Formats: sequence, structure tokens, C-alpha cells
Amino acid sequence: TQLLEQSPQFLSIQEGENLTVYCNSSSVFSSLQWYRQEPGEGPVLLVTVVTGGEVKKLKRLTFQFGDARKDSSLHITAAQPGDTGLYLCAGNNYGQNFVFGPGTRLSVLP
Amino acid sequence: DAGVIQSPRHEVTEMGQEVTLRCKPISGHNSLFWYRQTMMRGLELLIYFNNNVPIDDSGMPEDRFSAKMPNASFSTLKIQPSEPRDSAVYFCASSLNRGGFVGETQYFGPGTRLLVL
Repeated sequence: TQLLEQSPQFLSIQEGENLTVYCNSSSVFSSLQWYRQEPGEGPVLLVTVVTGGEVKKLKRLTFQFGDARKDSSLHITAAQPGDTGLYLCAGNNYGQNFVFGPGTRLSVLP
Repeated sequence: DAGVIQSPRHEVTEMGQEVTLRCKPISGHNSLFWYRQTMMRGLELLIYFNNNVPIDDSGMPEDRFSAKMPNASFSTLKIQPSEPRDSAVYFCASSLNRGGFVGETQYFGPGTRLLVL
């Protein structure tokens, strides 16, 4: 069974600070996705990374896929209250079945 | 465009009762997923369908849970009989499976919040 771990589990920061959250596994994935889930809603896809070492940027969010395709990080620059939510990573191994991590719950205080 | 539609949005029932959750995927999508989310266990895949056929139901907790997809635009998840430990948020998601090696984007519905007393 492929498992994903995410750290930290909870993170509370002030508006304007930078942060990094991590997604780790002992398994190799063919692709990895990051989702953000706001209270009372379903998760929404932020990015998909496929190539080892790949870096993708989405405005103030930077996503990196590890060289060995076993881990990933999400860095947020100058966090805003609107970034508050549950960040989930999900790994896929050449199929349609995704394994989700437990998530990092981020709170950005104004 | 309408996203994934789930009903009901909230369900409160008593232990032992039958619960049926409904999902309408995005038109044109050929894969449908049922998930359960709790604080303790996170987001768990229960079952997924491809072209209306169940592909992997290894996440279905036990025989009390069953899922059907009679056509491309409708799916149900049934719990019978329900138990308090089934209380969770149940999400339906759909995607367009193009047969590639990269997992496709899953579009999630708003979820059904189930409370079994």
C-alpha cells in the first residue's frame, strides 16, 4: 500500500509570512497533485507534477516534485488570509487511483 | 457549466436506517470516485468507476456499503444499516480518463455531511 505523509499537520502564521509544507512517501509516484480544500467544500486541484525535479509556480505558490518522485513540497510566499485551508497531496501510480495524504491545515491570520 | 452535484447536502439519521447518497458527475467525464473524509482518517477512496464499471472497491469498509452507477450521469452510495461510525463527509468526484499515465484532474462535489445518531 502506498502511503503519503504530510507535514506539518497544522500551521498557523501571520499574513505576509512565507511557509513550506511537505508531502513524503517511501513509494515512487508517476504523478503527484496538490489540492486545496476550504471549509464546507470539496478539494480543488492546484497543480499536477509529473517529472522528477519539476518546479511549477502558481502566482505566490511554488510546487516542487522530488528528483526520485517520492516527495513534494509547496512553498507559499507572502501568505494571505485567502490561502487558509486544508492542503492535500495525492499520489498516482500509472492509473486513475489516487492516494491522498492526511493534509496540512493552514491558517493565515490577518 | 455545472460541476459535480451531490444530494443531499446534509443527512441526519438514526442507527440502523438505510442511507442513500446521490451523485451526478460532470457531463462527459468517464470516471467517478466516492470518498469518505473524517478528521481521524482523512480522505479515503471507497470505490471508483470507469465507464460505469466498478474498477476498485477495495476501500469499501464492509458489506453494509454498496455503490452503483447505472448510467454515465448518475451514481449512488448506499449504507444499510447505518452505524454511528459511518458519520463523515462523503465526496463524489469525477474525471475524464484519457488512458494516459498521468492521473487526471478530479473535480469534487460539495459533499454530503452524514450524521448517524
